[in-house]
Amino acid sequence: GAVVSQHPSRVICKSGTSVKIECRSLDFQATTMFWYRQFPKKSLMLMATSNEGSKATYEQGVEKDKFLINHASLTLSTLTVTSAHPEDSSFYICSARPGQFNEKLFFGSGTQLSVL
Amino acid sequence: GIQVEQSPPDLILQEGANSTLRCNFSDSVNNLQWFHQNPWGQLINLFYIPSGTKQNGRLSATTVATERYSLLYISSSQTTDSGVYFCAVRAGGTSYGKLTFGQGTILTVHP
Repeated sequence: GAVVSQHPSRVICKSGTSVKIECRSLDFQATTMFWYRQFPKKSLMLMATSNEGSKATYEQGVEKDKFLINHASLTLSTLTVTSAHPEDSSFYICSARPGQFNEKLFFGSGTQLSVL
Repeated sequence: GIQVEQSPPDLILQEGANSTLRCNFSDSVNNLQWFHQNPWGQLINLFYIPSGTKQNGRLSATTVATERYSLLYISSSQTTDSGVYFCAVRAGGTSYGKLTFGQGTILTVHP
């Protein structure tokens, strides 16, 4: 099956610093990737859709200047949490699908961000 | 937007028992997937099942699209089945890949 790799798996940072999370499709090309956020014991909430070669599409209520998304190649999307604050602490998960009209999504293993 | 409701929210089983998890959705869907999130956070694809019935080992799933629900059956449960089970759907008219998740069912299987 399709494999999505996410790195790092866990990061602890000081308030005010920026953190970059990488999401790679290892064995397929992904023109579109998705970033989700999950609070403890809660469901996944879609933050944004990352489009290769163009700007990301953000869901309502998600600050695009806080959560910078770059999709520079068909296998890599990055999410940068800028000037992180404790309230940004969360579990972030990316997903991708092989093929423009493929319905089935595959997920990375997630990144636990803790901002002190 | 589309609403996705899962039941029960919590389920505790003894090893070997069978269970049924339910997912109701409020509108027509083009995509429905069941996932298992393990204790480390990894989401594992169980089924892609916008309609019909599928089986994979001890797990099976049925989606009745016309009645807007899906069921996940777990037979002869094992402790490794513990975790959170999510149902996620893509509503008709929304972009490919844009899934809405239910709140999940937390399953605990005791030895």
